Amino acid sequence: QITLKESGPTLVKPTQTLTLTCTFSGFSLSTSGVGVGWIRQPPGKALEWLAHIYWDDDERYSPSLKSRLTITKDTSKNLVVLTMTNVDPVDTATYYCARLRLAFDSWGPGTRVTVSS
Amino acid sequence: QSVLTQPPSASGTPGQRVTISCSGSSSNIGSHPVNWYQHLPGTAPKLLMYSDDQRPSGVPDRFSGSKSGTSASLAISGLQSEDEAEYYCAAWDDSLNGLYVFGSGTKVTVV
Repeated sequence: QITLKESGPTLVKPTQTLTLTCTFSGFSLSTSGVGVGWIRQPPGKALEWLAHIYWDDDERYSPSLKSRLTITKDTSKNLVVLTMTNVDPVDTATYYCARLRLAFDSWGPGTRVTVSS
Repeated sequence: QSVLTQPPSASGTPGQRVTISCSGSSSNIGSHPVNWYQHLPGTAPKLLMYSDDQRPSGVPDRFSGSKSGTSASLAISGLQSEDEAEYYCAAWDDSLNGLYVFGSGTKVTVV
């Protein structure tokens, strides 16, 4: 059974750095063709892809956020970390991590992050 | 502004057929497979369709996908109340080095 779970702060102040962790089980990030990505949904808005990392360390980022995002993986611990610097209230959203193969085929329940002073 | 354009809403009565369109360009839908996600409020999005018309295990065959050129469609036959959700199309995009784009989303209401 594949499971993913996001964790991180629920409240972050503007200009701070947000660190989110995705802990997963049921698959390995050392398997060819497998990746883990991050997607967010601001309140009342559409899903937005942020970044993903593949088994071979290939990293991709949303161009609009690339300068603020870093994605890393720890294959031995089955986790992926997304770091977002200089957060703003517009970054308030539910953040999801998901397994990536041909598509994002398994998702975590999401974690709600509010950016406010 | 999403790269993939969907109608904001669609509706139907139980048993009806509803179709959702997704319009893109040559750099995304025109070059790559389309995926569809179903998102119920307060839950995790669910992969509904991948590679244009392939259903993951467990997805009812009431759901079907198609693609032609730079547009794709998701059809729901025999609409049921539990199908009331937000639906998103998505695809890879060549325009900026491995970008993944979601559509603007379509809210399906069962009236």
